[in-house]
Amino acid sequence: EVQLVESGGGLVKPGGSLRLSCAASGFTFSSYSLNWVRQAPGKGLEWVSSITNSGSYIYYADSVKGRFTISRDNARNSLYLQMNSLRAEDTAVYYCARRYSSSLDYWGQGTLVTVSS
Amino acid sequence: QSALTQPASVSGSPGQSITISCTGTSSDVGGYDYVCWYQQHPGKAPKLMIYDVSNRPSGVSNRFSGSKSGNTASLTISGLQAEDEADYYCSSYTSSSIVVFGGGTKLTVL
Repeated sequence: EVQLVESGGGLVKPGGSLRLSCAASGFTFSSYSLNWVRQAPGKGLEWVSSITNSGSYIYYADSVKGRFTISRDNARNSLYLQMNSLRAEDTAVYYCARRYSSSLDYWGQGTLVTVSS
Repeated sequence: QSALTQPASVSGSPGQSITISCTGTSSDVGGYDYVCWYQQHPGKAPKLMIYDVSNRPSGVSNRFSGSKSGNTASLTISGLQAEDEADYYCSSYTSSSIVVFGGGTKLTVL
């Protein structure tokens, strides 16, 4: 069974940093591209970043470019999102999701990040 | 990276059919057969319902179908059931190899 479990969310002050993790199981981790998607409270989905299976190609939304860094460790079956210079508008539930064809076919349960003083 | 355009809400009675539209540009929806649809119930993670415009993942009811014409994709749900009440999001890969989502549509089953 495919499982994605996010962790690392919490309360952080504006300008602070946080590192999210996503532990994967139930599939060959190194064969799939992975994504981070976030959802602000009461709002829609916003794609944040993606990384190809080998880590060779990385993409970011304009809203996080230069502040967030996506990475992965295929030996540990883990995906990461390093978030720096956090702003109030980064407050959201952050999901990791596996890419299959054009879709995100499996999603984690999400981890809440709250940026507030 | 503009969001795709969806109606804010749609509604229908049990047993009826509804259609949700998703409008983009030639750089996303119109340029590729890479449109997906997700269902999200309150407090839950999104669930993939349609991928590559019209394909259903294993386990998704055949009451859900997808199509595309030009820059507009559509999700049709036939034989509406109470459990279909949820938020629905479309997405597309773009010419920049990024993903763009629609703003979401709240489906109410009357």
